[in-house]
Amino acid sequence: EPEVTQTPSHQVTQMGQEVILRCVPISNHLYFYWYRQILGQKVEFLVSFYNNEISEKSEIFDDQFSVERPDGSNFTLKIRSTKLEDSAMYFCASRLPRDGKTYEQYFGPGTRLTVT
Amino acid sequence: GIQVEQSPPDLILQEGANSTLRCNFSDSVNNLQWFHQNPWGQLINLFYIPSGTKQNGRLSATTVATERYSLLYISSSQTTDSGVYFCAASQAGTALIFGKGTTLSVSS
Repeated sequence: EPEVTQTPSHQVTQMGQEVILRCVPISNHLYFYWYRQILGQKVEFLVSFYNNEISEKSEIFDDQFSVERPDGSNFTLKIRSTKLEDSAMYFCASRLPRDGKTYEQYFGPGTRLTVT
Repeated sequence: GIQVEQSPPDLILQEGANSTLRCNFSDSVNNLQWFHQNPWGQLINLFYIPSGTKQNGRLSATTVATERYSLLYISSSQTTDSGVYFCAASQAGTALIFGKGTTLSVSS
């Protein structure tokens, strides 16, 4: 069964550094999402992406963050100048376009980001 | 936007017991998903259930869209069922809004 993959599984970085989290969505999916979960808290939406542009973003997704689909398979989240409070699990998700059948989002296994 | 509330926040069971987890949502939804977060932090998709009833082994789920709630049933619980269960909902393909989760602890 096709699945969303994410790399790396765990990233440790120093405060102020830039990190890029990578995701490979399911191949025929057209909508892509990033969510994050601070330890012990609920999962929060960051941004959605469709047709090479951001379709929706939350208050969390400020100028420190950016997303890109650099090629036909990868979807990346860049965090500039990381802060301690960026430490969290970051999840990528994808879904098919609305075709009368499903809005189900498929989640990757997550990247645990630790900022020291 | 939609608000998602889960109850109970914590549940402690003996192995073999049955349980019901509840998810209330504040508005009509096109997507309702249940997840189990395993000890490694991965979100395991249990059900996509915007309406109706589904079953998968010992787990089943029911969503009553008109009354804006969903239930997750776990029968004959096992220690491996322990973890956090999240409900998440959205409208028309927008961002999923997650509840705070129910932490289930099953002891042998």
